[in-house]
Amino acid sequence: EAGVAQSPRYKIIEKRQSVAFWCNPISGHATLYWYQQILGQGPKLLIQFQNNGVVDDSQLPKDRFSAERLKGVDSTLKIQPAKLEDSAVYLCASSFTGFRTNEKLFFGSGTQLSVL
Amino acid sequence: TQLLEQSPQFLSIQEGENLTVYCNSSSVFSSLQWYRQEPGEGPVLLVTVVTGGEVKKLKRLTFQFGDARKDSSLHITAAQPGDTGLYLCAGAADSGAGSYQLTFGKGTKLSVIP
Repeated sequence: EAGVAQSPRYKIIEKRQSVAFWCNPISGHATLYWYQQILGQGPKLLIQFQNNGVVDDSQLPKDRFSAERLKGVDSTLKIQPAKLEDSAVYLCASSFTGFRTNEKLFFGSGTQLSVL
Repeated sequence: TQLLEQSPQFLSIQEGENLTVYCNSSSVFSSLQWYRQEPGEGPVLLVTVVTGGEVKKLKRLTFQFGDARKDSSLHITAAQPGDTGLYLCAGAADSGAGSYQLTFGKGTKLSVIP
C-alpha cells in the first residue's frame, strides 16, 4: 500500500517569497490534515479537510497561509509571503474517515522549509 | 485549546535500562495515541488507548491510560538503541463538527546509548 506522498522534501526561500507544498494522501482516505512542526515541538494542526470541505482551520494564519483540496484527493498548502518564523517541517497526514476517536493517522515524510 | 505536557523533554540512557515517559493534561480525551518519530520522517503510530485505566503492551513497551482519561504513560523495559527517537503523545477530542482532532504534546527525545 502506497503511503502519504509529499513534495518537495526540502525548500529554502527568502522571507517575503511564496512557497507551495503538495500532498497526495493514501487512496480512499477521506480526511487530510496539514500539520506544522517547529524544531523541538510537537506537530500543530493547521487545517483538516473532510473530502474537499474544511472541517477545522482555526489555527491557520489565514493572512498568509492557504490550502485547498479541490477534488477531495490531493492537497496544496501555500504560504505567501513567508516569514522567518514559518521555518518548520510541514507534515501531511490522512485517515480513513476522521470520524472515529481511535482512528490511525498516516503521516508523510514532510517538507522541511527554511526561510532566510 | 487542550494542552498535553510531556516529561521529560530529553532522556539519554544506557542500553538495557528501563524508562518511563509521561503525558499529562487537565482535559479529558476520548482516546490517546502514542507515536514515534525518527529524524526526517513523519510520526508513526505505536498504540491507541481508549478506556480509562487501559494497559496495552507492545513487546517491551507498556502503555497506560489514566483512569480519568487525562494522562498516560509509556514504559520501556530494557531499552535498545533501536528505541531511539522522538516519542509523541496525542489526545483525540471531538472537533465539534463530528470529526476528531488530535492535539500533540511536544515530545520526549530519547537516546539509547549502546
